[in-house]
Amino acid sequence: DAKTTQPTSMDCAEGRAANLPCNHSTISGNEYVYWYRQIHSQGPQYIIHGLKNNETNEMASLIITEDRKSSTLILPHATLRDTAVYYCIVPRGGGKLIFGQGTELSVKP
Amino acid sequence: GAGVSQSPSNKVTEKGKDVELRCDPISGHTALYWYRQSLGQGLEFLIYFQGNSAPDKSGLPSDRFSAERTGGSVSTLTIQRTQQEDSAVYLCASSLGGDYNSPLHFGNGTRLTVT
Repeated sequence: DAKTTQPTSMDCAEGRAANLPCNHSTISGNEYVYWYRQIHSQGPQYIIHGLKNNETNEMASLIITEDRKSSTLILPHATLRDTAVYYCIVPRGGGKLIFGQGTELSVKP
Repeated sequence: GAGVSQSPSNKVTEKGKDVELRCDPISGHTALYWYRQSLGQGLEFLIYFQGNSAPDKSGLPSDRFSAERTGGSVSTLTIQRTQQEDSAVYLCASSLGGDYNSPLHFGNGTRLTVT
């Protein structure tokens, strides 16, 4: 089962891009990388996922390196409401998610 | 459309009582997951259903915890003889296929307080 490593915390200025890194060096060929976030006292929110190509949706972009050993979640114009804990996860069998500590992102005015 | 719905949103119970927590997944989602999150802690996986079967119960902390799912839809998590350490937010999630390419969608949880 692929493990992920993320920085414990990051700061970002409001209106700037937030770039959140994740290492998943043991990921295998058919495993996806997922990003979720949890805003205080709410359930986790799905953001984006990808296999090998870069992905973009209305919330964020996901950049996956060619060797698939790391990825970066990009929030293009961070707002105060993006302050949350961000989780990078490679699902287990049955799509099961094992949550680590994640990255606590603080967006500051 | 409607998301994952959990009820009650809050539950206070006395130590030793049984409680039932309910989850209504997104319509058409075949996979359903239960997690819990104690105060200031991370999310802990409890159990996973594919249809009405539970192929992975590895996270249930003790035999006081059980869950069932009927009709491939609603699920109930039951905690018998509650203890104070059971106090937590219990979260339910569902996904379309329960495979690597199906995102999980979470409800807002049931906050359980055991006094």
